[in-house]
Amino acid sequence: DAGVIQSPRHEVTEMGQEVTLRCKPISGHNSLFWYRQTMMRGLELLIYFNNNVPIDDSGMPEDRFSAKMPNASFSTLKIQPSEPRDSAVYFCASSLKGPSSYNEQFFGPGTRLTVL
Amino acid sequence: DQQVKQNSPSLSVQEGRISILNCDYTNSMFDYFLWYKKYPAEGPTFLISISSIKDKNEDGRFTVFLNKSAKHLSLHIVPSQPGDSAVYFCAASVTSGSARQLTFGSGTQLTVLP
Repeated sequence: DAGVIQSPRHEVTEMGQEVTLRCKPISGHNSLFWYRQTMMRGLELLIYFNNNVPIDDSGMPEDRFSAKMPNASFSTLKIQPSEPRDSAVYFCASSLKGPSSYNEQFFGPGTRLTVL
Repeated sequence: DQQVKQNSPSLSVQEGRISILNCDYTNSMFDYFLWYKKYPAEGPTFLISISSIKDKNEDGRFTVFLNKSAKHLSLHIVPSQPGDSAVYFCAASVTSGSARQLTFGSGTQLTVLP
């Protein structure tokens, strides 16, 4: 399996522009997580989906952030409009929730976002 | 309010010696704890975990200890190797209905010196 795939790997944009980050989870996984990593706050959970349904978006910092999961193999995280303080590494992770298995999360390589 | 804290941002250890990474938590509802390792330009990868019903879990060179009364866990790596140099994140979770949410600490940069 290719693992969790994220694109782009790097994104540089100007303040006010719309940014869309993409994620393809591991095939067969039914939970998907978006995280943000900053030096100050470490890894923060933004939102997670279970069976394509958003379960908890309490970590989404503002209305400028939105996430969708139209199907089991694709999710997007959108920032509109972007601000310099959004600069961070954004990780997507997926897991398989089952009755007998602990659902270890597998992370993608991340997207490094720089907002100028 | 940080529910999972890693108070040491960095740690340097000589190759062959023991590395001890510490983590404290505040939420007594956490029932599962994990350690992830992260190399530069890569996503975190799962290393080892422990359930709250245990106080020790060992996997090769890696051992995690859990002290529930102190709300403290630690990761021991022995012997440390240069390839262990990475950022180590402690994470904790609470059993929930749909999926386990992980709350991460801020990470500790481990450097193993040859």
